Amino acid sequence: DAGVIQSPRHEVTEMGQEVTLRCKPISGHDYLFWYRQTMMRGLELLIYFNNNVPIDDSGMPEDRFSAKMPNASFSTLKIQPSEPRDSAVYFCASSLGAGQSKNIQYFGAGTRLSVL
Amino acid sequence: AQSVTQLDSQVPVFEEAPVELRCNYSSSVSVYLFWYVQYPNQGLQLLLKYLSGSTLVESINGFEAEFNKSQTSFHLRKPSVHISDTAEYFCAVRKAAGNKLTFGGGTRVLVKP
Repeated sequence: DAGVIQSPRHEVTEMGQEVTLRCKPISGHDYLFWYRQTMMRGLELLIYFNNNVPIDDSGMPEDRFSAKMPNASFSTLKIQPSEPRDSAVYFCASSLGAGQSKNIQYFGAGTRLSVL
Repeated sequence: AQSVTQLDSQVPVFEEAPVELRCNYSSSVSVYLFWYVQYPNQGLQLLLKYLSGSTLVESINGFEAEFNKSQTSFHLRKPSVHISDTAEYFCAVRKAAGNKLTFGGGTRVLVKP
């Protein structure tokens, strides 16, 4: 399997613009997670889905952030409007499902976002 | 809620020397424990995990970690590091009955020749 695929790898945009980050989970995985990594706050879980349904979005920082999973093989994280403080590396991860050994999260390579 | 503390933000070490990265956690329920490694400009890769059974777990590249319930620790060790072990290492916990990972702040290991 190709693993979790994220695009783009790098994104540079200007404040106020809309940004869309994309993720393709590992085929057959039921869970999908979005994380943000910054120097100040480390790795934070933003939201996660189970079978395409958002389960916990308590980590989403504010209404400017939204995430969707229209089907089992695709998810987006959108920021509108973007602000400089959104600059971070955003990771997507997926896991097979519930159960002790199945619930291991595999991460994509991340999207490095710079908002100028 | 769970929390994870990695006491060392940076650990410089010479090649072929041993290294230990400390990880302590707090949780009121049973947890699973993980170490992830992040090489420069890459995503996180699972290094090893403790789910149940033997408290000493090993990775294929020589790392090991020991789950100590009484001390709520999951320290990572390697007896002899290589230059290629230069990376950031993250300890993480997850409730046994849950799905969310809580990460520590990370420890950056710099292996010097």
